Amino acid sequence: DTAVSQTPKYLVTQMGNDKSIKCEQNLGHDTMYWYKQDSKKFLKIMFSYNNKELIINETVPNRFSPKSPDKAHLNLHINSLELGDSAVYFCASSLGAEQPQHFGDGTRLSIL
Amino acid sequence: GIQVEQSPPDLILQEGANSTLRCNFSDSVNNLQWFHQNPWGQLINLFYIPSGTKQNGRLSATTVATERYSLLYISSSQTTDSGVYFCAVEGLGNEKLTFGTGTRLTIIP
Repeated sequence: DTAVSQTPKYLVTQMGNDKSIKCEQNLGHDTMYWYKQDSKKFLKIMFSYNNKELIINETVPNRFSPKSPDKAHLNLHINSLELGDSAVYFCASSLGAEQPQHFGDGTRLSIL
Repeated sequence: GIQVEQSPPDLILQEGANSTLRCNFSDSVNNLQWFHQNPWGQLINLFYIPSGTKQNGRLSATTVATERYSLLYISSSQTTDSGVYFCAVEGLGNEKLTFGTGTRLTIIP
């Protein structure tokens, strides 16, 4: 009964490849987010969607493209992976702005 | 953008001790949350506390919005409390959470 679930948990791939991370929430929330946590544990928002519409895009390279097929899902596709993309990517959801956010367990992406 | 500073950066305590973690922020906020990232990397929401005081078991938090700080209290620490504690805030008119750099808490048995 995981509230926010991400797959895969680990992703190891070569530079230049394209990969996707999937996220689903069963909390009935309207807003979903993608965060990146770097090697120093610093957490930064990348994208936010409200009811399938993009509301925050934090100057993330165009190689990152979020897709929200419905309000319960927010997937992240990354093209032409670079070494600097190695990080832990977290999906989160909330009822809306100014509401508690609930995080998935993260996807650890390692670029060889 | 809004700045979030957490202190101390590291804290090592014996099991059973109490601790206070601080979060200072540079501007007015309408959203403040405390998270615990456990040693397995999971981020758990502890409190949504833009103002006032809340308690949940051994943990409590207080936010004094007019003075731009929040405190997280942990009493009778247990080894399972180890991990990194993050404060995150959302400034007025800004729909995103900005995270602090965290306090790494280590509880020694």
